[in-house]
Amino acid sequence: ELKVEQNPLFLSMQEGKNYTIYCNYSTTSDRLYWYRQDPGKSLESLFVLLSNGAVKQEGRLMASLDTKARLSTLHITAAVHDLSATYFCAVDDKGGSEKLVFGKGTKLTVNP
Amino acid sequence: EADIYQTPRYLVIGTGKKITLECSQTMGHDKMYWYQQDPGMELHLIHYSYGVNSTEKGDLSSESTVSRIRTEHFPLTLESARPSHTSQYLCASSEWQTYEQYFGPGTRLTVT
Repeated sequence: ELKVEQNPLFLSMQEGKNYTIYCNYSTTSDRLYWYRQDPGKSLESLFVLLSNGAVKQEGRLMASLDTKARLSTLHITAAVHDLSATYFCAVDDKGGSEKLVFGKGTKLTVNP
Repeated sequence: EADIYQTPRYLVIGTGKKITLECSQTMGHDKMYWYQQDPGMELHLIHYSYGVNSTEKGDLSSESTVSRIRTEHFPLTLESARPSHTSQYLCASSEWQTYEQYFGPGTRLTVT
């Protein structure tokens, strides 16, 4: 059974600082997704990573995937308050069900 | 641009009432999903569908039922609402090549 673990679950950081959120998963998969959720809102797709070594960047966020280590990272560069949100990673369950298994989410707060 | 719609956006209803949450998408996606999410918490898959006349229960036991008579429409029904059903319900559909899921805006349900 596929398990997806994110850490940290809560992250409070100062504006201008860098930090990395980690997403580990337990079984083989080469499809990983990052989503953002603002309070009271739905999920917004950030990145789709479809192969080992994939790296995607959008503004101050960069995501990467290492399928051998079963690890994805979401790196935040020079954080700004607008990045405050909950970030979820999700992994394709390759058991044939074509479902995504989500992590518990990382709640990020960026303080001025 | 993903086009997936949910109605109502907010619903307050008394115990014992029957309710149907609507979800529609205009992207022609075969796969659709329903998730339940309590505020600030992880997503739980409650139902999914691979296409017309296909429905499956998800990982979280739910007293709701779904139907898929048309590709674009995936309604969720609660026959008798209870306070324990109070939550946010998110509908999603997925693109066939990347399996990326697109989420609707959600329905926030309160059962009194």
